[in-house]
Amino acid sequence: ELKVEQNPLFLSMQEGKNYTIYCNYSTTSDRLYWYRQDPGKSLESLFVLLSNGAVKQEGRLMASLDTKARLSTLHITAAVHDLSATYFCAVDKWDGGSQGNLIFGKGTKLSVKP
Amino acid sequence: NAGVTQTPKFQVLKTGQSMTLQCAQDMNHEYMSWYRQDPGMGLRLIHYSVGAGITDQGEVPNGYNVSRSTTEDFPLRLLSAAPSQTSVYFCASSYSIPPSEQYFGPGTRLTVT
Repeated sequence: ELKVEQNPLFLSMQEGKNYTIYCNYSTTSDRLYWYRQDPGKSLESLFVLLSNGAVKQEGRLMASLDTKARLSTLHITAAVHDLSATYFCAVDKWDGGSQGNLIFGKGTKLSVKP
Repeated sequence: NAGVTQTPKFQVLKTGQSMTLQCAQDMNHEYMSWYRQDPGMGLRLIHYSVGAGITDQGEVPNGYNVSRSTTEDFPLRLLSAAPSQTSVYFCASSYSIPPSEQYFGPGTRLTVT
């Protein structure tokens, strides 16, 4: 059974600091996704990582994927209050027969304080 | 483009009632899916479809039915509502299979009493 674990689940940061959110998954997959959710809102796609070693950056966020270690990281640089949200990673469960079945982590609730 | 739309936004049902949550997309996406989101549980896949006429079960399909008669629409039916189905439901779509970037609808907040 594919499991996706994020840590930490809660993160309180000061503005200007750096931090990393980790996403571990338990089975082989080459496709990993990061989403952002603001309170009471829908999910917004941040990054799509489709191969080992993939790195993508958007503003203060950078995501990477290591398929051998089954690990993705979301690095936050010089946090600002606007980054406060819940961040989810999701992995495509591919067992040769159930293509398209995404498994989400439980999310990391990030709070950036002045 | 309206993107992914869901109706209703809010719904209260009594135990045992049935209803259909509507989802539509106007992006000509082949892949559509339904998730439920519960506090502390993340999102869990209920059902998904890789094209018109093709559906499959996700992680938590019990108590729900889907059909995909057109590319645009993917309704989710609750057969006999139970309090355990109180949740926020999201519909999503994606252009490619396996899914690349998924576009999520605004969600339906369902309460079953």
